Amino acid sequence: GEDVEQSLFLSVREGDSSVINCTYTDSSSTYLYWYKQEPGAGLQLLTYIFSNMDMKQDQRLTVLLNKKDKHLSLRIADTQTGDSAIYFCAAGAGSYQLTFGKGTKLSVIP
Amino acid sequence: NAGVTQTPKFQVLKTGQSMTLQCAQDMNHNSMYWYRQDPGMGLRLIYYSASEGTTDKGEVPNGYNVSRLNKREFSLRLESAAPSQTSVYFCASSYSDTQYFGPGTRLTVL
Repeated sequence: GEDVEQSLFLSVREGDSSVINCTYTDSSSTYLYWYKQEPGAGLQLLTYIFSNMDMKQDQRLTVLLNKKDKHLSLRIADTQTGDSAIYFCAAGAGSYQLTFGKGTKLSVIP
Repeated sequence: NAGVTQTPKFQVLKTGQSMTLQCAQDMNHNSMYWYRQDPGMGLRLIYYSASEGTTDKGEVPNGYNVSRLNKREFSLRLESAAPSQTSVYFCASSYSDTQYFGPGTRLTVL
């Protein structure tokens, strides 16, 4: 089955860019998502990309997809303290079959 | 428009007790899901319902049962709770490709 890997922690200074990386194993994954989880809350959809795309930009968020290496990244420009949260990468061949990574805890230093 | 709602928010059970976690969505979504989130494990799919009247096992279904009561509601039942079921439980729904999550139920089994 699909396996999704993320680094567990990332620390950046306020105003810098953050880059959170994710790798997946199943080349048939066509749906790739980034979710944000704040303490004590559910998962909030941030953005997504389909496998026929290489890049997607949405305000401060940029998603890059390297299909050959099965590598997905989320870049947050001008990182703010409100961006401190856990970020989950999810991959799947269909929305019934999403596999989530363990999450990357982003800490923003003022 | 409340999105996905879950009740209760918190619950403490003794080993062997039973309980039902409730989930409802007001987005007219066809598909609904139950996940559990454990530290260091990410999210794991327990059961899902692709449409009203159907349910299917996910990655970790043992010890759980589900009911898709109608299009809006999808409940998760623990017949005989065990300490290994201490977790945060999330319900989600989707119309096509993207899943939207509820705020979660924090369950402790003593």
